Amino acid sequence: QKEVEQDPGPLSVPEGAIVSLNCTYSNSAFQYFMWYRQYSRKGPELLMYTYSSGNKEDGRFTAQVDKSSKYISLFIRDSQPSDSATYLCAMSEGFQKLVFGTGTRLLVSP
Amino acid sequence: AAGVIQSPRHLIKEKRETATLKCYPIPRHDTVYWYQQGPGQDPQFLISFYEKMQSDKGSIPDRFSAQQFSDYHSELNMSSLELGDSALYFCASSSARQNSNTEAFFGQGTRLTVV
Repeated sequence: QKEVEQDPGPLSVPEGAIVSLNCTYSNSAFQYFMWYRQYSRKGPELLMYTYSSGNKEDGRFTAQVDKSSKYISLFIRDSQPSDSATYLCAMSEGFQKLVFGTGTRLLVSP
Repeated sequence: AAGVIQSPRHLIKEKRETATLKCYPIPRHDTVYWYQQGPGQDPQFLISFYEKMQSDKGSIPDRFSAQQFSDYHSELNMSSLELGDSALYFCASSSARQNSNTEAFFGQGTRLTVV
């Protein structure tokens, strides 16, 4: 079993929809949680960064961390076709390597 | 703002050849990570350096080695290349000194094709 589980999708939604992306994890030592967006053949782009439990909002993006359930989420409001990409969750214990989920492929249709 | 720079962007090598990938971190970042991403796979951690010292090691084959230099750039050396080494290789950098956080920023990657 992988340390970080993420549904690979694809997740198809119409433009304007609210998108919910999720990851579960097994390592209770993880404290730092990140969401990356990756377009095909490009490097992962950091979207959201959260330390410990709680919510964080940045524009159309909201990240939630529930350490008690070992569950993190990324919400995208008013989704746009340009949001179509693979979304990777990643987490770490501290100043150490990131452990990634497999990524969820999101398709937003006009 | 300056980002993580990787070179080359594309590299084609034959089996059993060697390859050197370079990474220039964001200025004032002291930590460099190397990841390997196969087709349709999530990035797999290879190795990391903090202040020019190896800080962590993941699933890096013995045929690979890496180092971080005094100017904080890093090089990943790959020898006796195999077909299975074909992948995207990403470098990421972060700063352990600034804000005590671990935000890691990735470069655009080097696509290595072994034929």
